[in-house]
Amino acid sequence: AQKVTQAQTEISVVEKEDVTLDCVYETRDTTYYLFWYKQPPSGELVFLIRRNSFDEQNEISGRYSWNFQKSTSSFNFTITASQVVDSAVYFCALSEAGDSSYKLIFGSGTRLLVRP
Amino acid sequence: NAGVTQTPKFQVLKTGQSMTLQCAQDMNHEYMSWYRQDPGMGLRLIHYSVGAGITDQGEVPNGYNVSRSTTEDFPLRLLSAAPSQTSVYFCASRAGRYYGYTFGSGTRLTVV
Repeated sequence: AQKVTQAQTEISVVEKEDVTLDCVYETRDTTYYLFWYKQPPSGELVFLIRRNSFDEQNEISGRYSWNFQKSTSSFNFTITASQVVDSAVYFCALSEAGDSSYKLIFGSGTRLLVRP
Repeated sequence: NAGVTQTPKFQVLKTGQSMTLQCAQDMNHEYMSWYRQDPGMGLRLIHYSVGAGITDQGEVPNGYNVSRSTTEDFPLRLLSAAPSQTSVYFCASRAGRYYGYTFGSGTRLTVV
């Protein structure tokens, strides 16, 4: 069965702190894709990253970095030197490559509040 | 290039009314989906389509119908609105099974 767990419901940090959002997934497929989306207060869903199961290299994009570890089925997201504009709900999602490839399985989201 | 366009942005319905949420994409994507977002539950798949003329049910299809007569359009119909369908609805499209979804801006629906 496919499942994505984001155990942190809400995180509050002070601006310039580093923060890590956890994501743990479950799948029986050997080929799958993991995603992070950002939902700012305006409500739209913004694509941040896509990672396939064969690429365990960490990725960095500016202040954002992602740590993919197949051994622990985790795909964590770190924001370095957080800013108020980072305040949003962040969703981790899983897509399998097999028969159920049509759908994204979303976690319940982590609400990040960055205080000035 | 507009991406995924959803209309309306807001809607209030009375119980029992029907309506259609519109979704159009101009990226020639084959895959389109409808999700609903409820507090604390992430997004759940309602219906999806892998091409014109092909649709199927997702996780929470009851009370909704879809059709896909063209690649561009994927409307979602509420047959007889119920308060349990109060939610934010997102339409999304993707180029193929290995790509991420592009989401529309959402429709906030309230059923009273």
